[in-house]
Amino acid sequence: DGGITQSPKYLFRKEGQNVTLSCEQNLNHDAMYWYRQDPGQGLRLIYYSQIVNDFQKGDIAEGYSVSREKKESFPLTVTSAQKNPTAFYLCASRERGGKETQYFGPGTRLLVL
Amino acid sequence: ELKVEQNPLFLSMQEGKNYTIYCNYSTTSDRLYWYRQDPGKSLESLFVLLSNGAVKQEGRLMASLDTKARLSTLHITAAVHDLSATYFCAVDQGGSEKLVFGKGTKLTVNP
Repeated sequence: DGGITQSPKYLFRKEGQNVTLSCEQNLNHDAMYWYRQDPGQGLRLIYYSQIVNDFQKGDIAEGYSVSREKKESFPLTVTSAQKNPTAFYLCASRERGGKETQYFGPGTRLLVL
Repeated sequence: ELKVEQNPLFLSMQEGKNYTIYCNYSTTSDRLYWYRQDPGKSLESLFVLLSNGAVKQEGRLMASLDTKARLSTLHITAAVHDLSATYFCAVDQGGSEKLVFGKGTKLTVNP
């Protein structure tokens, strides 16, 4: 089955710790995205990548980092510089340059201990 | 900078009634997308609207796009409880592969 997987489903972070959220897709999409969603709020773009080895900051990139070494993978690291990381994190992918919708993974819920 | 506004943000309606959710955007675009999100879940694609006058229908939901007015509507016909969810519209920013999302409309359908 084609789709997007995210792991883990729940993640607990201790103060001062960096944590990495995984996102993998087998849709052969070039473009991938990370969004943050706070309770009762909309989606805010953290980072996006249009092609392997390239990525751009979104609206709230501070305290986060990404890499795009493989087409199918776009991991997000929440660094200790992100002081309020508790949120629902959604990864998405899309066919680049086309008119397709974005397809979303199931999400990772990050909680601070 | 592209801005996307949805209204209403909260909508409580009775089963069997009709209603419309509005999505306005601030700059020219002819690509608009609607998504549904159930509580605690991810987003699911509902409709893709790619030209002026585009209309798509699925069950009790119908979406349309007027690019000249920079407006999309999501019309709900004879609502049922299963339609309770948060609905987001998103507009293609053009040239950047980014979508800009509205804040979402939380729909509650009461028996």
